[in-house]
Amino acid sequence: DQQVKQNSPSLSVQEGRISILNCDYTNSMFDYFLWYKKYPAEGPTFLISISSIKDKNEDGRFTVFLNKSAKHLSLHIVPSQPGDSAVYFCAPSSSGTYKYIFGTGTRLKVLA
Amino acid sequence: DTGVSQDPRHKITKRGQNVTFRCDPISEHNRLYWYRQTLGQGPEFLTYFQNEAQLEKSRLLSDRFSAERPKGSFSTLEIQRTEQGDSAMYLCASSVAETQYFGPGTRLLVL
Repeated sequence: DQQVKQNSPSLSVQEGRISILNCDYTNSMFDYFLWYKKYPAEGPTFLISISSIKDKNEDGRFTVFLNKSAKHLSLHIVPSQPGDSAVYFCAPSSSGTYKYIFGTGTRLKVLA
Repeated sequence: DTGVSQDPRHKITKRGQNVTFRCDPISEHNRLYWYRQTLGQGPEFLTYFQNEAQLEKSRLLSDRFSAERPKGSFSTLEIQRTEQGDSAMYLCASSVAETQYFGPGTRLLVL
């Protein structure tokens, strides 16, 4: 039973355009959400987080939106750059558990 | 400021052998985590330490797996009697708050 779903295995976007990566979850106890970027043969790199008390968090080109009622979050990257090409994982957690449940990832390819 | 380091980066072993991986967390990070990632999947939680105490173990962690963090600093993950299904990337992360910072991983191949 997958608690975290990233239904788009891959996404291609033109350089300079917006990339939107989606994540759905089923566990209503999740209240903290991380996004990671992963390059081949490297560990995941932290990108941005959001707490359930917010519905938006922005950091430079990266913005995460959280819709608690829909149990859905999305990561927006604008403008997209070729260096953003990587696999992106969403990872929610419940307070105090310190255990993150990762989705299966979305491979983003930004075309120059 | 050094990040999380893992050693070795790659390990090839024969089925039935024991292997041990090491993780050095970011200094002052009191929490340390082990994850496993297989092809096409996201990292899966294995176990978690707060200082030297192992506070949670996943059902994925069979009796052949053992993890330690004896002095609350570095950690080791040992797999005994390796099986081909143990082939994966083993990731270590550390944190002081909610955000976990990952090391580069150890890729294990069991022949």
